[in-house]
Amino acid sequence: DAMVIQNPRYQVTQFGKPVTLSCSQTLNHNVMYWYQQKSSQAPKLLFHYYDKDFNNEADTPDNFQSRRPNTSFCFLDIRSPGLGDAAMYLCATSRVSSRGRGTGSNQPQHFGDGTRLSIL
Amino acid sequence: GQQVMQIPQYQHVQEGEDFTTYCNSSTTLSNIQWYKQRPGGHPVFLIQLVKSGEVKKQKRLTFQFGEAKKNSSLHITATQTTDVGTYFCAGRGNNDMRFGAGTRLTVKP
Repeated sequence: DAMVIQNPRYQVTQFGKPVTLSCSQTLNHNVMYWYQQKSSQAPKLLFHYYDKDFNNEADTPDNFQSRRPNTSFCFLDIRSPGLGDAAMYLCATSRVSSRGRGTGSNQPQHFGDGTRLSIL
Repeated sequence: GQQVMQIPQYQHVQEGEDFTTYCNSSTTLSNIQWYKQRPGGHPVFLIQLVKSGEVKKQKRLTFQFGEAKKNSSLHITATQTTDVGTYFCAGRGNNDMRFGAGTRLTVKP
């Protein structure tokens, strides 16, 4: 059974047209992450939620926003996608204790299958 | 800031040969995790190392954490075609976890 579910698997949007990617989890993990992964590169952390607390990476463009309406769901909004935003977007979850707060933790991250975003 | 370097970027081996990937951090790590990503798939957690000098084994895979907790390695003995994929290390520094660039392993039958 899938535990971290991302929809859609493939998304095509037009240059400049807003797009939303979704992620849901059945693990009841308190931390949810969004990564951008381009071909043959490491996943690059965009931001993460520790419960309801939003934590943005310093180099994440303002074009990228996120929402977490409840524990199970998290959304990635790209306000005005550019050609450089074409990538695989990975959602991950983790259970982090208050002492291990931050992107680092002693618990593994569970990844979804990702959404491959194409920009026309 | 914290950087995690991983080498080699690519490794092509004949089935049955051994394979090693190395991960080095610019700062001392509190722990390091290893992930495997199959072609077209997502990263899957393999293992976590926490203690200085720690060595863990999973069948043909051996993971080591350096004494100074700044480097780590993954060694696969007698590779099989099912080992193909990209292996990432992810090291935790003060508070953030950073992925290495990954080593892409291909295995020729």
